[in-house]
Amino acid sequence: DQQVKQNSPSLSVQEGRISILNCDYTNSMFDYFLWYKKYPAEGPTFLISISSIKDKNEDGRFTVFLNKSAKHLSLHIVPSQPGDSAVYFCAAKGGGTSYGKLTFGQGTILTVHP
Amino acid sequence: DVKVTQSSRYLVKRTGEKVFLECVQDMDHENMFWYRQDPGLGLRLIYFSYDVKMKEKGDIPEGYSVSREKKERFSLILESASTNQTSMYLCASSFSLGRYTFGSGTRLTVV
Repeated sequence: DQQVKQNSPSLSVQEGRISILNCDYTNSMFDYFLWYKKYPAEGPTFLISISSIKDKNEDGRFTVFLNKSAKHLSLHIVPSQPGDSAVYFCAAKGGGTSYGKLTFGQGTILTVHP
Repeated sequence: DVKVTQSSRYLVKRTGEKVFLECVQDMDHENMFWYRQDPGLGLRLIYFSYDVKMKEKGDIPEGYSVSREKKERFSLILESASTNQTSMYLCASSFSLGRYTFGSGTRLTVV
C-alpha cells in the first residue's frame, strides 16, 4: 500500500511561472515531510522540509505547504527556472522508533521550458 | 565535503550471479539505507541499518541481504541476480532524526 502518493507523473511549466507539485499521504503518524530533487545519473538531494507542527516553510524560491487535515502537502517554486527541471520526490518520516526511515512517493518529473 | 560513496556507477551482471553493492559514508551517521528507484514506483526501501551489525527489512527485501560490519560501510548483496533486479540502487545515510544524504547511485543491469 502506497502511503505517500504523487499522483502527477509529470508537470510542464514555462520559465518564470509558478510550479506546484503535490503529494498526499495516508499515515497519520508521519511527523516530518521532505522534498528531494533528483537529476539523471545523480542521487537525490534535499530541497526543503516541514514539521507536522507547521503549515508552511519557505526557503528562497521554494515553499512547502502542509494541510494535515487533508493529509496533503505541496511544493511551490516561484519563479520556475530551467535548472529546476528534475524529478521531485516527496518523502515522509514516521514518529516513534522509525530510525529516521523515509517513505517516498513515486516522483514527479518537472520540466521548465525557457 | 561530506559524502556517501557508492563503489560503482554502472554494473552489468549475468542472471544467477552474486552481486555486491558497496556504500561508504564519512559523516559518522548511525543510519544507513538501501533503496531502489524504478520509473513510476519511486524509491522503495530494501533494507536499512541503525547500528553496526544491526539490520531491518524494508518494504521489498526479497532476493537481497545486507551487511554492516563497520559503521561507515553498508553493503547490499543480491544472492542470485535476476532480471527483475535491474534498477537504480541508491544508498543513503542519516542521523536518527536527520535528513538523508544520498550517494550518486548504481545503475545495475542484469542480463
